[in-house]
Amino acid sequence: EVQLVESGGDLVQPGGSLRLSCAASGFSFNSYAMNWVRQAPGKGLEWVSYITDSGSIKYYADSVRGRFTISRDNAKNLLYLQLNSLRDEDTAVYYCARVLRYCSGSSCYPLRFDSWGQGTLVTVSS
Amino acid sequence: QSALTQSPSASGSLGQSVTISCTGTSSDVGGYNYVSWYQQYPGKAPKVMIFEVNKRPSGVPDRFSGSKSGNTASLTVSGLQAEDEADYYCSSYGGSNNYVVFGGGTKLTVL
Repeated sequence: EVQLVESGGDLVQPGGSLRLSCAASGFSFNSYAMNWVRQAPGKGLEWVSYITDSGSIKYYADSVRGRFTISRDNAKNLLYLQLNSLRDEDTAVYYCARVLRYCSGSSCYPLRFDSWGQGTLVTVSS
Repeated sequence: QSALTQSPSASGSLGQSVTISCTGTSSDVGGYNYVSWYQQYPGKAPKVMIFEVNKRPSGVPDRFSGSKSGNTASLTVSGLQAEDEADYYCSSYGGSNNYVVFGGGTKLTVL
């Protein structure tokens, strides 16, 4: 059974930093691209970041580019999100999600997020 | 403001059908057949209901169907049941700069 378990969420002051982790099990982690998706309280889903199976390609939403860094440790089956220069508007539940893709040549397209964790809450407040 | 536009709410009576729309641009919804729909209950993680515009993952009832015309994708739920009451989000490939874009979500109420 595929399992994704996030951790690391906390209360942090504006301008602070935090590292989120997502522990994967039940599948060959090093064969799948992964994402972070967040959801502010009472709001909709927002895609945050994507990393390929090897970790060689990373994409970010405009709202977090330059402040957040996605990474992975395939030996430990762990996905990470480093959050720096946090702002009030970064307050959200952060989900890690596995993505199934279709790749043609050098381009890979997201077919669906087929597995999600339960989320970890990040609260940015003074 | 979300990249894809959804009506905030929709409703239908038990047994009836309801359609939720999702409008994007030629750079996302209109340009690719990589539209997905997710169902989310309060406090729970989303679950994929439709992918690649009109495909259903195994285990999703065939009451759920998807379609697309131009820059607008649609999710239709037929034979509404009480357990269909949830939030529904569309998503699309948005290009390498915005890999995935989501809609703002539609709260479906079953009357």
